[in-house]
Amino acid sequence: SQKIEQNSEALNIQEGKTATLTCNYTNYSPAYLQWYRQDPGRGPVFLLLIRENEKEKRKERLKVTFDTTLKQSLFHITASQPADSATYLCALVSDTGRRALTFGSGTRLQVQP
Amino acid sequence: GAGVSQSPSNKVTEKGKDVELRCDPISGHTALYWYRQSLGQGLEFLIYFQGNSAPDKSGLPSDRFSAERTGGSVSTLTIQRTQQEDSAVYLCASSLQAGNQPQHFGDGTRLSIL
Repeated sequence: SQKIEQNSEALNIQEGKTATLTCNYTNYSPAYLQWYRQDPGRGPVFLLLIRENEKEKRKERLKVTFDTTLKQSLFHITASQPADSATYLCALVSDTGRRALTFGSGTRLQVQP
Repeated sequence: GAGVSQSPSNKVTEKGKDVELRCDPISGHTALYWYRQSLGQGLEFLIYFQGNSAPDKSGLPSDRFSAERTGGSVSTLTIQRTQQEDSAVYLCASSLQAGNQPQHFGDGTRLSIL
């Protein structure tokens, strides 16, 4: 069956360090992968989309990589700040025909000042 | 407004009652999605609408759940004969088109079934 896996344990890091979050998927062949941020009590907010032919995508302090051989995406936040504390979700479109996103369960990031 | 709007933001009801949740998508977005998020869990797809096409209802958990989208804009998710396991946050999103477009989410309706 198709699965999207994110580390369910919270990631705690010190301010200024780089946070790296992992998204692994099985039995998908996605052309795109998306990352969202979700704060408590709010809906997810779109951050980045990366295509299968893009190895890396950057936006300000954010960087996403996409390895279709490993079936993995890494999400990096450099020079992390306490305001980056949130849950980060990866998502992709199933290649079975349904055109809605399937989300991972998310990884909670806590940046300590 | 500029974003996706959902109402009510909170709904408490007794088991067995029917509830209606409303979503106003971003103007011009042809795709509209409903998801459910239980406490501490990921988003569970329920249904999506794309333009005038028949909706994809494959995520609806039972026939007590239904949704409609009138005039290609506002959508209503209806849950009949609510059960306690229906308690969750119901999130609506819209995008320019279905598929790999970024989705814009509302802040959800928190539904509590007593």
